[in-house]
This record gives sequence, C-alpha cells and structure tokens, in this order.
Amino acid sequence: DTAVSQTPKYLVTQMGNDKSIKCEQNLGHDTMYWYKQDSKKFLKIMFSYNNKELIINETVPNRFSPKSPDKAHLNLHINSLELGDSAVYFCASSPRPGQSPLHFGNGTRLTVT
Amino acid sequence: GENVEQHPSTLSVQEGDSAVIKCTYSDSASNYFPWYKQELGKRPQLIIDIRSNVGEKKDQRIAVTLNKTAKHFSLHITETQPEDSAVYFCAASKGAGNMLTFGGGTRLMVKP
Repeated sequence: DTAVSQTPKYLVTQMGNDKSIKCEQNLGHDTMYWYKQDSKKFLKIMFSYNNKELIINETVPNRFSPKSPDKAHLNLHINSLELGDSAVYFCASSPRPGQSPLHFGNGTRLTVT
Repeated sequence: GENVEQHPSTLSVQEGDSAVIKCTYSDSASNYFPWYKQELGKRPQLIIDIRSNVGEKKDQRIAVTLNKTAKHFSLHITETQPEDSAVYFCAASKGAGNMLTFGGGTRLMVKP
C-alpha cells in the first residue's frame, strides 16, 4: 500500500513538449505539495494545495500548472518543456499545511533532451 | 522568509565513527525542526524531529540538538553503519500552517 504514489517514475521527452505527472495519496491528508529536486539535490517547494485550494505558489514559470481535482490528487502539467526542467519531481502530502510529517512519493525523474 | 543553511555538503566517515551535520536558520519564530534521510534513488523520509520546547531528542543511534539562542540545530549519528549512507536534509518551520524550508542537504558516506 503506497501512501503517496506518483506516475510515471521516469519521463524522457524532448524540448517543447507538454507532459503531466500524476500524484495520489491514500492517507486522508488535506495538504499536498510538489517539490523539485535538482542535480545538486536541493529540495525546493513549487506548489501546495490544501483541500483542493492553492495555498503556496513559489516563483515557478507559468508553464507549470498544478491541478487538484480532489484532496487526494494533485497533478502537475508542464508546457513547452525546457532543458532546465530536468530534475526529480516529488509529490508529498501532510495532514494539514506544514504539519508533520511530510510523506513523499517516490519521485518522477524528468529528463528533457 | 526563512533561510536554512546546512553544513557540510558532503561528509565521509569510517564505519563506527560519529557523524555530525549542522544547520542554522534565520527566522527566530521557527519552532519545528525535522530531519529527513534520502537514500540513493529513494524518497526523503522523516527520521527525527525536534520542537523548540526541548533542547535535545534521541532515538537509538541518532540525536538532534537545538540551540534556539544561536538559531542552530544539529543531527548526531553515532556508531555509523554503511546503511547510514544517504543525503540528509534539515528543515525548519513555524509549525502547523507554515511550510517547511529545507537546507541544501548533506551527502553522508560511511566507509566500511
């Protein structure tokens, strides 16, 4: 029983394409997040949703658009992919905003060629 | 906003030795400090956390200390084992309702 599951695990695509990453949590948490981890391992928050409502939107290009159809799902759509988008994207959830612990998914390694 | 700095960025120790990773934070209102461990190719997972009302917390071979006055906290791993090899992240937040700010990570290598 994976608590936070995200798909796909690997995504290889060309510059200019549009791609989506899906995330689902079965923990009953209210809050979900998207983090980006670059090659230097920095973990940077991109978005946070609480009960389907956007609560955090860090300085992320408009090409990135999250969607939360319900509080158990938070998907990430990326338009016009660029080389610099290559990273590992982690979905995470927590009971409430900022409430411990943060449960991470297994990550999606995105490679843009 | 909060800024968390973590040192060192890499740490190599011999099996059985101790390892110490240090973090400093900027926002004196922060009161919750978790540590996450990320093994190679895996997701980060919470290993220990401390709240500002205590100065130290221990769980078997790992311990965390907090100095609120100096705004720094540290992770201590004793009797290191090869399976402790991973990237460790510290983080800070002002508690429920506030986001975690992560440090830059420390890659710990334990040599057998």
